[in-house]
Amino acid sequence: NAGVTQTPKFQVLKTGQSMTLQCAQDMNHNSMYWYRQDPGMGLRLIYYSASEGTTDKGEVPNGYNVSRLNKREFSLRLESAAPSQTSVYFCASSGLAAEQGNTQYFGPGTRLTVL
Amino acid sequence: SQKIEQNSEALNIQEGKTATLTCNYTNYSPAYLQWYRQDPGRGPVFLLLIRENEKEKRKERLKVTFDTTLKQSLFHITASQPADSATYLCALGIGPQMIKAAGNKLTFGGGTRVLVKP
Repeated sequence: NAGVTQTPKFQVLKTGQSMTLQCAQDMNHNSMYWYRQDPGMGLRLIYYSASEGTTDKGEVPNGYNVSRLNKREFSLRLESAAPSQTSVYFCASSGLAAEQGNTQYFGPGTRLTVL
Repeated sequence: SQKIEQNSEALNIQEGKTATLTCNYTNYSPAYLQWYRQDPGRGPVFLLLIRENEKEKRKERLKVTFDTTLKQSLFHITASQPADSATYLCALGIGPQMIKAAGNKLTFGGGTRVLVKP
């Protein structure tokens, strides 16, 4: 049981390049999330998927797209990377309903630098 | 606008003492509040959850209080140890009646770094 896995762990891009961050969970969770974490800003929600087949915007969705490929996998795509997207990206999943507290399980993160 | 504030300054504390962290929020009516621990280079890990109708929750050396009147949660680490050194994040969650409008999401504070010195 690996929990939440993310690939790659590190990535350096040039401005304008595109890439996809991969996330998978093996806990049979319905909900999955993408966050970015910047110094002094905390975790900010980019997109989330409450259940397979649905995706919704979070707090900072501009410049990103997502795909909930199946129940296990949720990918984040940067179509044209910008230096402002330099950050640490975390994927998370949750199997609990909101009334049960929506405890989230996080992956190890992807450290992205855009030059 | 909605805001969640944690002390951005690091908390330096001597081993054995109690560390107390605060989480204040405005323009929010959370149904529950969670605390997470984050070590350098790793993702956050869930520690404790407290609901709006609960005043206090304990787990081993951890204690959380939730005051919806003051719009504040306090997180205590008693008998602190160097292994408790990490960043601690609070997160607010909304109730099920609001899910359709706002989604099943958490909103995180910026975190407070704790350093326990031997």
